[in-house]
Amino acid sequence: DQQVKQNSPSLSVQEGRISILNCDYTNSMFDYFLWYKKYPAEGPTFLISISSIKDKNEDGRFTVFLNKSAKHLSLHIVPSQPGDSAVYFCAAKRGSTLGRLYFGRGTQLTVWP
Amino acid sequence: ETGVTQSPTHLIKTRGQQVTLRCSSQSGHNTVSWYQQALGQGPQFIFQYYREEENGRGNFPPRFSGLQFPNYSSELNVNALELDDSALYLCASSLLAGDEQYFGPGTRLTVT
Repeated sequence: DQQVKQNSPSLSVQEGRISILNCDYTNSMFDYFLWYKKYPAEGPTFLISISSIKDKNEDGRFTVFLNKSAKHLSLHIVPSQPGDSAVYFCAAKRGSTLGRLYFGRGTQLTVWP
Repeated sequence: ETGVTQSPTHLIKTRGQQVTLRCSSQSGHNTVSWYQQALGQGPQFIFQYYREEENGRGNFPPRFSGLQFPNYSSELNVNALELDDSALYLCASSLLAGDEQYFGPGTRLTVT
């Protein structure tokens, strides 16, 4: 049972434009959400996170939005750069002391010049 | 500061065999989690170890077992390998059980 869903397996964006990656979840007990980026032959790298008490978190070019009523979050990358090309995973967890992460299937982002 | 390392990088085993994968945590981290990433899927949680004790387990059968050592390095053991065990196995360490996890590059296991 997939509790975190990324319904777009791929996204292609021109350099300089905005990339929007979407994620939906089904478990209302999730209270912390994370985005990871993964390059080939490397492990996932933490990108940005958001607590369920917030609806927005920003870090440089990356912004994550959370809509709890819709059980939906999105990652915005502005402006997109070719080096952003990677697989992006949305992940969620419940409770501050539990370490288990629930991942989506990932979205392959390609940023072309 | 040394990051999370895993060995071996690649491994080929035959169905029914046993395999041991190894992970060295990032310096100072006392928690390690293991994930299985099948082709086209996101990582799936196998289990977590905190100070040498299992601290949560995902939906994996008992033939998946683990150990954490006093230096906080860890092993993942899989017995009676099945074809569906072919996957990338990721290890992640964190300072505490609920903290941000830092992933290693993974071990690619192929079962034939």
